[in-house]
Amino acid sequence: QKEVEQNSGPLSVPEGAIASLNCTYSDRGSQSFFWYRQYSGKSPELIMSIYSNGDKEDGRFTAQLNKASQYVSLLIRDSQPSDSATYLCAVSGGYNKLIFGAGTRLAVHP
Amino acid sequence: NAGVTQTPKFQVLKTGQSMTLQCAQDMNHNSMYWYRQDPGMGLRLIYYSASEGTTDKGEVPNGYNVSRLNKREFSLRLESAAPSQTSVYFCASSSGRDTGELFFGEGSRLTVL
Repeated sequence: QKEVEQNSGPLSVPEGAIASLNCTYSDRGSQSFFWYRQYSGKSPELIMSIYSNGDKEDGRFTAQLNKASQYVSLLIRDSQPSDSATYLCAVSGGYNKLIFGAGTRLAVHP
Repeated sequence: NAGVTQTPKFQVLKTGQSMTLQCAQDMNHNSMYWYRQDPGMGLRLIYYSASEGTTDKGEVPNGYNVSRLNKREFSLRLESAAPSQTSVYFCASSSGRDTGELFFGEGSRLTVL
């Protein structure tokens, strides 16, 4: 059974700080990794994907992947109150079948 | 831009009743999915359809059936609802090219008493 683990939080950071969200996965053969954002009462939306070891940056978001350690992270720079949401880490199981972690709730306070 | 549309958005059932959740997408996507989301459990895949005419079980298929009616529509049926099926159900679609990008519907909140 493939597993994706995340700290449920809440992770509380002040506005303007860097938020660091972490995720580990159990299947060493996994190749594709994703971060989804879910606002309260809403549906998830894809914000980042990463396939290779190292960093991938998109605006204020940076995804980091370390396949040897089976570890994925998401950094949010200059955090804003509008970033307050639950962040779901997901690993592809093929055919776009995604295995999701339970999510980390982020709260950015002014 | 409708995207993925689910109906109903809310439903209350008694134990043993049956119901069907409907899902339709207008993005000409090949693949469709049904997930359930429970507090502390994240999203868990119930069933998926990689393409029209095919369906496969996900992580938690017991107690559910699905029908891929055509390329647009993918329904989820609970034949005999149980309190353990109280959850928020999300339908999603994707192009099927393994991009990891799923487009989700707004969700259907189901309560089984």
